[in-house]
Amino acid sequence: NAGVTQTPKFQVLKTGQSMTLQCAQDMNHNSMYWYRQDPGMGLRLIYYSASEGTTDKGEVPNGYNVSRLNKREFSLRLESAAPSQTSVYFCASSTQTGQGTGELFFGEGSRLTVL
Amino acid sequence: AQSVTQLDSHVSVSEGTPVLLRCNYSSSYSPSLFWYVQHPNKGLQLLLKYTSAATLVKGINGFEAEFKKSETSFHLTKPSAHMSDAAEYFCVVSRRTGRRALTFGSGTRLQVQP
Repeated sequence: NAGVTQTPKFQVLKTGQSMTLQCAQDMNHNSMYWYRQDPGMGLRLIYYSASEGTTDKGEVPNGYNVSRLNKREFSLRLESAAPSQTSVYFCASSTQTGQGTGELFFGEGSRLTVL
Repeated sequence: AQSVTQLDSHVSVSEGTPVLLRCNYSSSYSPSLFWYVQHPNKGLQLLLKYTSAATLVKGINGFEAEFKKSETSFHLTKPSAHMSDAAEYFCVVSRRTGRRALTFGSGTRLQVQP
C-alpha cells in the first residue's frame, strides 16, 4: 500500500537547469497538490488539481508548471531553476467531501537544492 | 480570507508532562481545522480534524484539540508527553465549502526531554 510516491527524493541543480518532480497516488483520490516547505514558513501551496484535467495556481506558482497526467499522476516542473527554489517539495492527495477538504495524504518529500 | 497563527515556534517539555501547542485562526467562513504532525525527514500525517461536529476532537496517539469559536482557537493537547512525540506540528485551516484551499501555520517544533 504505497500511498503517495514522489521521485526523486534528492536533487541538486545548477541555476538555469530544468527538472520535473514526479508524484503518483494509488488511493483513487480526485485532488492532488504540490507544496513547498521552507523553514519557519509552514507549507505553501504551489499548484493544485481538483480533478483530472484541471489545475489551478496556489499561493506561490511563479517559476513552476504542473501537469495532471491522469488521475494518479501530478508532476511539477521547474523550467529554469533559481536558488530561491531551494526547498523541500511535498506532493499530497485528498478527497473532497461535503464537509470540505478531506484528509491530505503526503509523500515523503523531495529535497531540492539549486546552486 | 483565512489565516492561522501558531503562537510558539518551539515548545520543550519533559517526558510524562502535559503538552500544549497553541493555534489561533482567522476565517471569513465556517472553518475546518486540522492538526498535522511531521517527524524528521517524513511527510505530514493527520493527527485530528474538526469539521463542525463535536468541539472537542480526539486524534491519534492520545492527542486532542478543542475548537473555541469565541476565542478563535484550536489548541492541541496531550496529557502526558512521550519521547516519540518529538516532531513538528502544523495547524491548518480550510473553508468547509466552496474553494477549499488549506492554509498552514508556520509550525511548532516539540522537543521532549527525558
